[in-house]
Amino acid sequence: DQQVKQNSPSLSVQEGRISILNCDYTNSMFDYFLWYKKYPAEGPTFLISISSIKDKNEDGRFTVFLNKSAKHLSLHIVPSQPGDSAVYFCAASNSGNTPLVFGKGTRLSVIA
Amino acid sequence: NAGVMQNPRHLVRRRGQEARLRCSPVKGHSHVYWYRQLPEEGLKFMVYLQKENIIDESGMPKERFSAEFPKEGPSILRIQQVVRGDSAAYFCASSPPVYSGNTIYFGEGSWLTVV
Repeated sequence: DQQVKQNSPSLSVQEGRISILNCDYTNSMFDYFLWYKKYPAEGPTFLISISSIKDKNEDGRFTVFLNKSAKHLSLHIVPSQPGDSAVYFCAASNSGNTPLVFGKGTRLSVIA
Repeated sequence: NAGVMQNPRHLVRRRGQEARLRCSPVKGHSHVYWYRQLPEEGLKFMVYLQKENIIDESGMPKERFSAEFPKEGPSILRIQQVVRGDSAAYFCASSPPVYSGNTIYFGEGSWLTVV
């Protein structure tokens, strides 16, 4: 049973345009959501997070949107840069020291 | 990555041998997590430990796998009698004892290849 789903395995975007990565979850107990970025042969790097009391969190070129009623979150990257090419993982947890549950990732390719 | 150290980075083992993967968390972090990434798959939770305690091992295979986080020294993920299906990237992550949210910080990973 996959509690966190990233239905697009890959996405290609032109440099300078907006990248939108999507994530759906099924567990209504989740109240904290994160995005991680991963380059090949490296560990995942924390990118941005959002708690369920908010519907938007912004950090520079990265914005995460949360729609609790739809159990959906998205990561917007604008403008996209070639260095953003990586696999992006969505993760979720409920409060406290519960392990993060990850999606399968979306491979973003930003084309110059 | 915020200082989580994993070694070895790459490990090759023959079927039936033992693999030991080590993880030193960020200084001051008392929580350690192990995740596994199989080829073309996402990150699968294996085990969550605090010092000298296993908090959640719901993701650990029932046999051959064990983990510890002793009072002194790194956390160890041990795989006995490895099989080809154990070939994967194993990521360790750590988090501080008190925090808001649940951000964990990953190491660079240990790539196990079973031949």
